Amino acid sequence: GENVGLHLPTLSVQEGDNSIINCAYSNSASDYFIWYKQESGKGPQFIIDIRSNMDKRQGQRVTVLLNKTVKHLSLQIAATQPGDSAVYFCAENYGGATNKLIFGTGTLLAVQP
Amino acid sequence: KAGVTQTPRYLIKTRGQQVTLSCSPISGHRSVSWYQQTPGQGLQFLFEYFSETQRNKGNFPGRFSGRQFSNSRSEMNVSTLELGDSALYLCASSLGSGGSNQPQHFGDGTRLSIL
Repeated sequence: GENVGLHLPTLSVQEGDNSIINCAYSNSASDYFIWYKQESGKGPQFIIDIRSNMDKRQGQRVTVLLNKTVKHLSLQIAATQPGDSAVYFCAENYGGATNKLIFGTGTLLAVQP
Repeated sequence: KAGVTQTPRYLIKTRGQQVTLSCSPISGHRSVSWYQQTPGQGLQFLFEYFSETQRNKGNFPGRFSGRQFSNSRSEMNVSTLELGDSALYLCASSLGSGGSNQPQHFGDGTRLSIL
């Protein structure tokens, strides 16, 4: 895939367990954050987003936590399934008059059946 | 609702040639951004267009250019191709531009290989 050369951190979990993927972002002025899932041969797929005025947001089986003090973002996936196996990216938007996203290096989630 | 459509999906070129990639955003989306994805550098921002105007440009040489049409469709062009331009080129669209805090949705990309 596109990410092999980056020596992606890998998180290996058992099917049914909860997964937590972490991300450190770079700019304290960033005001919008997105988590994407990328499967082999496909583009990044939107999972969940959070604005800087929030510290937690929940979706279906996913929760994003934002800690602005330490510039840290995490994605929690409940009851992880084999179909969740993919590379997960966090992305930050610096704000202002642009949609430019800065992406993290990604984490490979491997779900063992 | 159809997603972001990128054409072609695969492309093979030789050094020195030029290439044009196409992106059709989700219906109603007016912002289109382009990203380059490589194993070594990850996902990097190329440029963003909104209402036919370039809003921002990433740190890429002038060989990389783009444009947006009145129907929000976008094209990017790379001239004088180099081996290092081999990558997956991704297009993303969103309703509004910066400040609107709306998610960008990606197409499946064009995989460009330079021989």
